[in-house]
Amino acid sequence: EDQVTQSPEALRLQEGESSSLNCSYTVSGLRGLFWYRQDPGKGPEFLFTLYSAGEEKEKERLKATLTKKESFLHITAPKPEDSATYLCAVGGYGGATNKLIFGTGTLLAVQP
Amino acid sequence: KAGVTQTPRYLIKTRGQQVTLSCSPISGHRSVSWYQQTPGQGLQFLFEYFSETQRNKGNFPGRFSGRQFSNSRSEMNVSTLELGDSALYLCASSYGSRIGGSETQYFGPGTRLLVL
Repeated sequence: EDQVTQSPEALRLQEGESSSLNCSYTVSGLRGLFWYRQDPGKGPEFLFTLYSAGEEKEKERLKATLTKKESFLHITAPKPEDSATYLCAVGGYGGATNKLIFGTGTLLAVQP
Repeated sequence: KAGVTQTPRYLIKTRGQQVTLSCSPISGHRSVSWYQQTPGQGLQFLFEYFSETQRNKGNFPGRFSGRQFSNSRSEMNVSTLELGDSALYLCASSYGSRIGGSETQYFGPGTRLLVL
């Protein structure tokens, strides 16, 4: 059964203190790995899609990387507005590729 | 391009009632998926509709159902509401045409359902 595990569950950083969030997965053939950001009371906001081991994507202070077993979301010099829950998801198997399996998220708090 | 819209944004119902939620996808997107988000279970897949047909289904009871119209708009219905159905219901859309891999899905703001 496909599983997605995110760590840590919560992370508190000082403004400017870089760090990484981890998403490990066990799937029988990766169909796509997705990162989302979710603010309280809102829907997830798309950040990145990764398909192949070795792939990297960047957007402002965020960089997502992918290996055969895990993905990292690197946050460089974070600002308070980066505070949110970061969700990782993988696509389902076979004909269910649009069935996303989500991890439980990492709650990030960036203090000024 | 306008994003995914969901109506209503908030609902309060009592046990035993039924509810219908609506989702309008991004223009050009033909796949609509529904998810339930609760503090205890996180985000869980309910079902996906593509070209008016249910293409995938999650592990939810038959009280949860949906449909899609010819303009790709989708509705989901929950009958005989239970207290445990209180959640944020999220709709996500994508083109629905990627072969051999998962597509990026874009989420709406959600409908917050409270069952009393």
